[in-house]
Amino acid sequence: EIVLTQSPGTLSLSPGERATLSCRASQSVSSSYLAWYHQKPGQAPRLLLYGASSRATGIPDRFSGSGSGTDFTLTISRLEPEDFAVYYCQQYGSSLSITFGQGTRLEIK
Amino acid sequence: QVQLQESGPGLVKPSETLSLTCAVSGFSISSGYYWGWIRHPPGKGLEWIGNIYHSGNTYYNPSLKTRVTMSVDTSKNQFSLNLSSLTAADTAVYYCARLAVSPKPYFDYWGQGTLVTVSS
Repeated sequence: EIVLTQSPGTLSLSPGERATLSCRASQSVSSSYLAWYHQKPGQAPRLLLYGASSRATGIPDRFSGSGSGTDFTLTISRLEPEDFAVYYCQQYGSSLSITFGQGTRLEIK
Repeated sequence: QVQLQESGPGLVKPSETLSLTCAVSGFSISSGYYWGWIRHPPGKGLEWIGNIYHSGNTYYNPSLKTRVTMSVDTSKNQFSLNLSSLTAADTAVYYCARLAVSPKPYFDYWGQGTLVTVSS
């Protein structure tokens, strides 16, 4: 099973700042099979990026993704108040097996 | 607009079996896509439970495989989850979601989630 480790656990930033979130896999993951979500309290997760770098419908271009192999990054260029949430990466492996990272909490500084 | 709605008991006793149903509207389950269950235990991260295709093919999280059964009812446009031998560790918000697989997999539509508490 591929384990995804996200860092940092908590990121404290101010609106307008740039956020960089990391997702590291225990073994190589196809970039096509890496997605990012965020989740706000009391809500379901929302898809942000799929295929490591493709934005989902309605996701603003301040969200971008990059990476390959075992290291992937989600970048939010300029934080808006609504961006403060928990962020999860997710990988899809063989036999439709899916794992999530443990999450990065992005909080207002 | 694709919508998913979970339903089931909010409180279940230890050792019992949890049964949840996800009703899908705005899209026919038979039209394709996989359908999944994910849970979110309090204070922890998301955990994938399993996926099912409209044909009935299933794929389960290895850590839960011995306790999980998923099924699909295309006539009612819904799919279901059974999780047996419950313990307090199964307390979580349970979500159903649509899983696009090809060419790039992702869960694009989610239900609002239903809280399940395992307690006597």
